[in-house]
Formats: sequence, structure tokens, C-alpha cells
Amino acid sequence: DAKTTQPTSMDCAEGRAANLPCNHSTISGNEYVYWYRQIHSQGPQYIIHGLKNNETNEMASLIITEDRKSSTLILPHATLRDTAVYYCIIIYSGGYQKVTFGIGTKLQVIP
Amino acid sequence: DVKVTQSSRYLVKRTGEKVFLECVQDMDHENMFWYRQDPGLGLRLIYFSYDVKMKEKGDIPEGYSVSREKKERFSLILESASTNQTSMYLCAISGWSSYEQYFGPGTRLTVT
Repeated sequence: DAKTTQPTSMDCAEGRAANLPCNHSTISGNEYVYWYRQIHSQGPQYIIHGLKNNETNEMASLIITEDRKSSTLILPHATLRDTAVYYCIIIYSGGYQKVTFGIGTKLQVIP
Repeated sequence: DVKVTQSSRYLVKRTGEKVFLECVQDMDHENMFWYRQDPGLGLRLIYFSYDVKMKEKGDIPEGYSVSREKKERFSLILESASTNQTSMYLCAISGWSSYEQYFGPGTRLTVT
């Protein structure tokens, strides 16, 4: 599976958009980009995923560059409840779904 | 709503004890996973199972074993607990054709 690089931590003002970057320069054609988040003292929660097109759901938007070597998770109007660790994960579509979570990005939403 | 339950939220055991951590799901999902989470190391996969009685080693299986006798239940076993197994243990599930994993609340295990 391709490796990912994320910033260790980020701050965002409440009400503003939070843009969380992820580099995955070794991604291959049949690998998906998945995002999860983990709020303190809870298990991780699935947010969104994509292959090459941009995706949007009720929680967030995922923007994947044309060369697929990086992506950005966008929380359009961050709230205090969005304070969490965000994980960007690359998953091979043909595997047994073994998923490797890295360290992630600690997002702090500031009032 | 997806429900993944773990047998305990907090557990304290002594070195050398045999420890069972149990995970139960109500979604009839094929895949079940055990992770441990430690500060600075993120989540690491211990074992996973894609069917009853089937298991695959993850990244750190040493010192652990698993059992899946029924589809809804996946147990993690520490045959002889050691202090370096003090950690947060998380169970997750996913469907056969999906890579979305649903996690339980976690069990914080302390081995003294």
C-alpha cells in the first residue's frame, strides 16, 4: 500500500473552512484515498473516500489532484466538535482490506 | 446504526494472566479487525478475520492470538499478558465489498 504524509497538527478558526492536506506520491491506479477521524476517547469514524474524482458528502469534501499524488479534505465550516485526529489512508482495492493508519493530523478548532 | 460493542471499556490485569477481549457486531459484516493504539504510534493492526474460523496476521501479531467461532464475534487473546501490552485496543468491522470500517469504543487495558 502507498504511504501517506500528513502534517502533525493544524489549527482552524471556528466557522472557517479546514483544509487538511495529504501527500501520497506513490499511489497506484487501483488504490483509493480514505479519510477517517478520531475524536478523543472514541474509535475512528469513516468520513469520505475517493479514487480520482472529487467527492462530497454531508460531512466533508475530498479534492484529489489530477495526478492523484495528493489530496485535501475540506470541512467547510469547522465547529469545535470537529477537533480530532484526521487520518488519510490509501487502500488497495484488491486486497483483504488490511488498512494501515498512520499518525494523522491533529486538528484543533479554535473558538 | 452500526453497533460494534467491546466487552469492557477499562480492564486491569496482572503480568502473566490470560486476557480475553471480545468484540461483537450486529451488522452481519464479514470482516473484523483488532488494532492497538499507542501514543505516537497511531493505530496498528494486530489481526483480522474475513470469515468464520479464518484469520490473517496484521502488522504486530506477536504475543496475541484470535478466535472467530461465530460471524458476529471476534476475540483477541493475550496468552500471557505483559506490561508492554498495556494499550488501547480497538475492534472494527467492514462488509465484504466495502473498505469503510466501523469501530467499537475501545478497551483500555492496563497490565501491571
